[in-house]
Amino acid sequence: DQQVKQNSPSLSVQEGRISILNCDYTNSMFDYFLWYKKYPAEGPTFLISISSIKDKNEDGRFTVFLNKSAKHLSLHIVPSQPGDSAVYFCAASGSGNTPLVFGKGTRLSVIA
Amino acid sequence: DTEVTQTPKHLVMGMTNKKSLKCEQHMGHRAMYWYKQKAKKPPELMFVYSYEKLSINESVPSRFSPECPNSSLLNLHLHALQPEDSALYLCASSQDGTGLRGNTIYFGEGSWLTVV
Repeated sequence: DQQVKQNSPSLSVQEGRISILNCDYTNSMFDYFLWYKKYPAEGPTFLISISSIKDKNEDGRFTVFLNKSAKHLSLHIVPSQPGDSAVYFCAASGSGNTPLVFGKGTRLSVIA
Repeated sequence: DTEVTQTPKHLVMGMTNKKSLKCEQHMGHRAMYWYKQKAKKPPELMFVYSYEKLSINESVPSRFSPECPNSSLLNLHLHALQPEDSALYLCASSQDGTGLRGNTIYFGEGSWLTVV
């Protein structure tokens, strides 16, 4: 049973526009959420996180929004740049000593 | 500095070989992890060490043997692997070893393993 779902395997966006990556979760015990970016042949790089006491966290071009009632979070990248092209993983933790649970990832392509 | 260093970056080994993957972090983190990642899949947790003790083993076959010599080092010993074990092996660490909740995990660049 997938506890963290990224339903869009891929997304294409024009350079300069907004990229919105979505993530849904089913476990109501999750209370900490993270986004990782992964280039081919490299390990995932931590991008941004949000705890369940907040509904928004911003870091430069990256903003994560959390809607707890809908069990949904999204990552907004604005403006999108070609270097943002990568696979983005959503991850969640909570319920005691449970390590991170990852979604399957969304491949973002930013077209110049 | 959020650096987790893994060696080697690439490893090719036969099914009868014994080899090791190594990982090092100097961030003072007290939890260290091994993940396995296949193409187009998310990272899969294998082992977690918390304060140098194995705290989670996700039913990994015994041909994979982790070792944590000290708080900065983590090894993964490999023996009698199968071709389907070929994957990217990721080491990671996080600050708090007492509980994994609310911890940001930082990954190394990974070791590409090919079993022939």
